[in-house]
Amino acid sequence: GQNIDQPTEMTATEGAIVQINCTYQTSGFNGLFWYQQHAGEAPTFLSYNVLDGLEEKGRFSSFLSRSKGYSYLLLKELQMKDSASYLCAVMDSNYQLIWGAGTKLIIKP
Amino acid sequence: DTAVSQTPKYLVTQMGNDKSIKCEQNLGHDTMYWYKQDSKKFLKIMFSYNNKELIINETVPNRFSPKSPDKAHLNLHINSLELGDSAVYFCASSQALGSGANVLTFGAGSRLTVL
Repeated sequence: GQNIDQPTEMTATEGAIVQINCTYQTSGFNGLFWYQQHAGEAPTFLSYNVLDGLEEKGRFSSFLSRSKGYSYLLLKELQMKDSASYLCAVMDSNYQLIWGAGTKLIIKP
Repeated sequence: DTAVSQTPKYLVTQMGNDKSIKCEQNLGHDTMYWYKQDSKKFLKIMFSYNNKELIINETVPNRFSPKSPDKAHLNLHINSLELGDSAVYFCASSQALGSGANVLTFGAGSRLTVL
């Protein structure tokens, strides 16, 4: 079956760096997405990786290794507003999105 | 200016009732979706429509029926509501299916509570 694994919850300190990991096993691969979801709100798009390597976008970076079925989202200079759930999703060979359960990130002052 | 709007935002109803949730997008996207997010926060695809044609229909009960009068609208009708239907339902749209960089834009969600 298809599976996306990510930690349920992580805690970090304001101003620090945190890495949220995602491992996947899917039928084919057409890209990996990260979305941010604040409590009670809609998910919003953060990043898309289809080739191996690191994609940097301001304080957020996303890394992909297709051979390892692995990605991470790196958040730098953490701010209180970064407290949210981070959802990893993989597009399979049929262009269907397979979603992880999300990682709830708690930022402490 | 809202890109994807869905109504109502909150819906509280009794078991056995029938209810509808409406969704509209003004992004000119070709594909629209309905997702269900339960208390464990998993996002589960229910339906997607591409140019008014149903192209994904996951194993959801046939009490759920999507209706799309045009490519900017995708409504969700639910018959004979059950307690297990309580969840947040998200509408979303994307430029096209069959493309890797298929970024979804979500509506704000409709929280359904069945009593």
